[in-house]
Amino acid sequence: DADVTQTPRNRITKTGKRIMLECSQTKGHDRMYWYRQDPGLGLRLIYYSFDVKDINKGEISDGYSVSRQAQAKFSLSLESAIPNQTALYFCATRRAESPDTQYFGPGTRLTVL
Amino acid sequence: EDQVTQSPEALRLQEGESSSLNCSYTVSGLRGLFWYRQDPGKGPEFLFTLYSAGEEKEKERLKATLTKKESFLHITAPKPEDSATYLCAVQASGAQKLVFGQGTRLTINP
Repeated sequence: DADVTQTPRNRITKTGKRIMLECSQTKGHDRMYWYRQDPGLGLRLIYYSFDVKDINKGEISDGYSVSRQAQAKFSLSLESAIPNQTALYFCATRRAESPDTQYFGPGTRLTVL
Repeated sequence: EDQVTQSPEALRLQEGESSSLNCSYTVSGLRGLFWYRQDPGKGPEFLFTLYSAGEEKEKERLKATLTKKESFLHITAPKPEDSATYLCAVQASGAQKLVFGQGTRLTINP
C-alpha cells in the first residue's frame, strides 16, 4: 500500500463549487504539505502543517483553506473554485527530524470549468 | 528571494548517451538541495539530498553533485526507463518550505 494517498485522483467541477481534496499518510510523519503544480511554474506551496494545532500559509494560500484532522490526515479545500485553480495538487509529508526529505502522494488532477 | 533554475528545459538522448542536467540556485544559506524524479501523472519521487558543497551521491545510473552555486545530475549510459522529468529543489537554512525549479524533461530514445 502507498505511504501517502490522495483522493480523489481526478475531479472536474464548475466555477463556484466547494471542493475538498484529501490526503492520508501511513509514514507516521509529523509534517504535511499541500502543493500545486502548473506547467512551467513548478511546484508551489499552498499550506503546511507541523501538527494538528499548527497550520501555516505557504506562498499561494489565497482561495484555499486546510484542515489537519489527525496526524495522518490533511485536507485542502477550495471554498469557491475558479478556473485558474485548475492544476495538479500534491500532498507531501516529512518527519520533523533530519533528514528533511519530503515524500509526495500521487496527486489530484483538478479541472474547474 | 530564494530561486532555482534548471536547464535545459528538455533533453532528448539516445540510449547509452551520457549527459548532465543542471540546477542553479540562489539561497540565503543552504540547508539542503533535493533531486526528485517525476513520471507523467505521478507525484515526485525522491532521489537524493545534498547538504554541502563537494558532496556527491549515486543511485544506479544517476549521480548528483553539489557546488556553492549549482548542482548537476549526471546520467551515465541512460536507458529508456530513465525518461522522466527531473526536479531540483532547495531549502534555505531556517526555512520550512522547498523552492522548486521548473524541471528538466528527459527523454531517452531506444
